[in-house]
Amino acid sequence: TQLLEQSPQFLSIQEGENLTVYCNSSSVFSSLQWYRQEPGEGPVLLVTVVTGGEVKKLKRLTFQFGDARKDSSLHITAAQPGDTGLYLCAGRNAGGTSYGKLTFGQGTILTVHP
Amino acid sequence: KAGVTQTPRYLIKTRGQQVTLSCSPISGHRSVSWYQQTPGQGLQFLFEYFSETQRNKGNFPGRFSGRQFSNSRSEMNVSTLELGDSALYLCASSLGGGGINEQFFGPGTRLTVL
Repeated sequence: TQLLEQSPQFLSIQEGENLTVYCNSSSVFSSLQWYRQEPGEGPVLLVTVVTGGEVKKLKRLTFQFGDARKDSSLHITAAQPGDTGLYLCAGRNAGGTSYGKLTFGQGTILTVHP
Repeated sequence: KAGVTQTPRYLIKTRGQQVTLSCSPISGHRSVSWYQQTPGQGLQFLFEYFSETQRNKGNFPGRFSGRQFSNSRSEMNVSTLELGDSALYLCASSLGGGGINEQFFGPGTRLTVL
């Protein structure tokens, strides 16, 4: 069974601060996706990283995939109240036939105070 | 392009009843995956359907079942409901082939079992 450890579980910061969310596993993933979820809604895909060492930027968000494809991080620069939400990482395993199965981290609840 | 739709958005049932949830994937997507989301367990994979066949299954009891129709729409059924089945049920669609195969989520169905 693949597990994704996501940390921290809760993050409460002031507007303008920077933050990093981590996603770690002992398993190798063929790809890893980051989602953001608002209360009562489904997760919205932010980015997919595929190649070890890959870095992707989405405005103030920077996503990195570890060289060994076992871990990933999400860094937000100058956080804004609109960034508030649940951030989820999800990995697809590198072997087998688990095409449609994503393994999710427990999520990070981010609150950005004005 | 329309996103993933799920109906109904909210359901209230009593213990012992059964329930059917529906998911319409993004046009052209052939894979539909179902997840259960609870505060304690996070997002847990239920099963995945591709071309009307169950391709992957999570660790849920047989009370949870699903099917997919020729137009890729999918239904999920839960029989003999228990209090612990109260959750947000999410479906996600993807193209379903190999490769990155990004999943896009619907808004979810909030099931409350009394």
